[in-house]
Amino acid sequence: QVNLQESGPGLVKPSQPLSVTCSVTGYSITTSYYYWNWIRKFPGNKLEWMGYISYDGSIYYNPSLKSRISITRDTSKNQFFLQLNTVTTEDTAVYYCARYTYYFDYWGQGVMVTVSS
Amino acid sequence: EIVLTQSPTTTAASPGEKVTITCLASSSVSNMYWYQQKSGASPKLLIYSTSSLASGVPDRFSGSGSGTSYSLTINTMEAEDAATYYCQQWSSNPPTFGAGTKLELK
Repeated sequence: QVNLQESGPGLVKPSQPLSVTCSVTGYSITTSYYYWNWIRKFPGNKLEWMGYISYDGSIYYNPSLKSRISITRDTSKNQFFLQLNTVTTEDTAVYYCARYTYYFDYWGQGVMVTVSS
Repeated sequence: EIVLTQSPTTTAASPGEKVTITCLASSSVSNMYWYQQKSGASPKLLIYSTSSLASGVPDRFSGSGSGTSYSLTINTMEAEDAATYYCQQWSSNPPTFGAGTKLELK
């Protein structure tokens, strides 16, 4: 059974980096042809796709975040990571990781991250 | 990027009532996907490739459309269908979601 679980700080100060981890069980993140994504939901319910790291390690970011975002992985731990730099209060959101093949079929439960001083 | 405009923003339906949610794309897309999100839960895939029902989804849900206009229909509203519904495309990068339609039980 595929399970994704996010973990991260609940609170980040403005201008600091935000880091969230997605731990995957029941499925290898190196299995062809799956893509491992970060998606966030803002207060007010808007969903924004942030980027992915693929089964072969290739990466694609949302152009709106390209200068601030980094997605990496640790295949030995079957985890992938989100780092978002220079955050502002506008980055306050629930951060989800999700698996994609032809659709987003498995999602984590989400982690709420608040940006505040 | 392709902007997806959902309507209505909010709606309410009585049990047994038919509900239709529309998603208009700013450019033509080849397929639309629909997700249901209940309060406190993560989004759940309902419909893929415009009209295919995801595993375990009741057949009162259906999807249709083409080009720039797509819709999600609930044939007979049930209490458990109260949720927020999102359309989503990945015909063009980056993938985008509609703003969501909140469906309440009347």
